[in-house]
Amino acid sequence: AQRVTQPEKLLSVFKGAPVELKCNYSYSGSPELFWYVQYSRQRLQLLLRHISRESIKGFTADLNKGETSFHLKKPFAQEEDSAMYYCALREDSGYALNFGKGTSLLVTP
Amino acid sequence: EPEVTQTPSHQVTQMGQEVILRCVPISNHLYFYWYRQILGQKVEFLVSFYNNEISEKSEIFDDQFSVERPDGSNFTLKIRSTKLEDSAMYFCASSSGTSNEQFFGPGTRLTVL
Repeated sequence: AQRVTQPEKLLSVFKGAPVELKCNYSYSGSPELFWYVQYSRQRLQLLLRHISRESIKGFTADLNKGETSFHLKKPFAQEEDSAMYYCALREDSGYALNFGKGTSLLVTP
Repeated sequence: EPEVTQTPSHQVTQMGQEVILRCVPISNHLYFYWYRQILGQKVEFLVSFYNNEISEKSEIFDDQFSVERPDGSNFTLKIRSTKLEDSAMYFCASSSGTSNEQFFGPGTRLTVL
């Protein structure tokens, strides 16, 4: 069963525009949600996690248990935000990260 | 800043051969993981390893696969009798705790011909 859904394969926005990358999950327990980012020719790296409740590089994400969503948002996109973004879920007391298929964000000038 | 390293960056092998993918986790980390990403598909969990034993594995991780920590620094993934469908990018990751950030290596691209 697919636990993490990222409906957009590609998202293209203009520099300065708001951006929202969608992530929905299916899990009945208490998951931990993450956003990982992979810039061109770089490794996967953690962008943020829901328990931290912090903003990284201007990005925020709020866990909405009612809608089972963890959308990633930034009010003003920058060209350097262009990358592949992966939403991931870790089940309570689990080790594995369950990834979505990823969304490629392209920010154009 | 310490990083997870993986060798080789690209491995080409013939179907039916055995391959060993190598990883050096971050030195003070205790939890180790392997993931794979088939081209065009999502990153999939294979196995986690702690205290010299497998702590969790996915249904992908069948008898064809094995992991080992042969010494204090390396963490290896062995794939026996490779198949065409094993072609993928294989990522190693490590963390200092189960709820801590998993740090990923750059990956090894395995091509099975």
